[in-house]
Amino acid sequence: RKEVEQDPGPFNVPEGATVAFNCTYSNSASQSFFWYRQDCRKEPKLLMSVYSSGNEDGRFTAQLNRASQYISLLIRDSKLSDSATYLCVVRPGGFKTIFGAGTRLFVKA
Amino acid sequence: GAVVSQHPSRVICKSGTSVKIECRSLDFQATTMFWYRQFPKQSLMLMATSNEGSKATYEQGVEKDKFLINHASLTLSTLTVTSAHPEDSSFYICSARATANTEAFFGQGTRLTVV
Repeated sequence: RKEVEQDPGPFNVPEGATVAFNCTYSNSASQSFFWYRQDCRKEPKLLMSVYSSGNEDGRFTAQLNRASQYISLLIRDSKLSDSATYLCVVRPGGFKTIFGAGTRLFVKA
Repeated sequence: GAVVSQHPSRVICKSGTSVKIECRSLDFQATTMFWYRQFPKQSLMLMATSNEGSKATYEQGVEKDKFLINHASLTLSTLTVTSAHPEDSSFYICSARATANTEAFFGQGTRLTVV
């Protein structure tokens, strides 16, 4: 089993739609969780951290479920500019940072 | 946010030559730097983790003699691809982190093409 798994997609949604991505992780001792966004041929950029209580930033909501070992990202009112690959990132602890394979999102007019 | 500068952004080299890629943290001290490789339409794959002043820890399957990593200071890490071959052509990205509890910032990436 991979340490971090994501549905690769692609998710094709119309503008204005709500879309959700999940990411599962195998190490129950993992301490920190993040969602990154990567545009084509560019470096990943931090979208948001994921806190135990869940957190929201505008149209984006991140949640953590430790019991089931997954994190989620919800995007409301999708914009064309949301089209990108969304990477789930887990830090098991110490120095390591593990990336999921990414979920590709295409938002269409 | 913090800035990590990676250089060069693009390099084309001949097969058999070596290429050095630099990763600098411009406004913070990076205790830990990570080097990733990304093939087209694939995810980032961690190659190695380096802590300032110590030897890099390589992921399984990554040849340490081929991908030389030097993290000589808190603001600079270098990756040297030795005796490059066409199959080494890829997008190499570094990231730097101040502490274990802080965000990792990415360099802009280096697109390496070996001909």
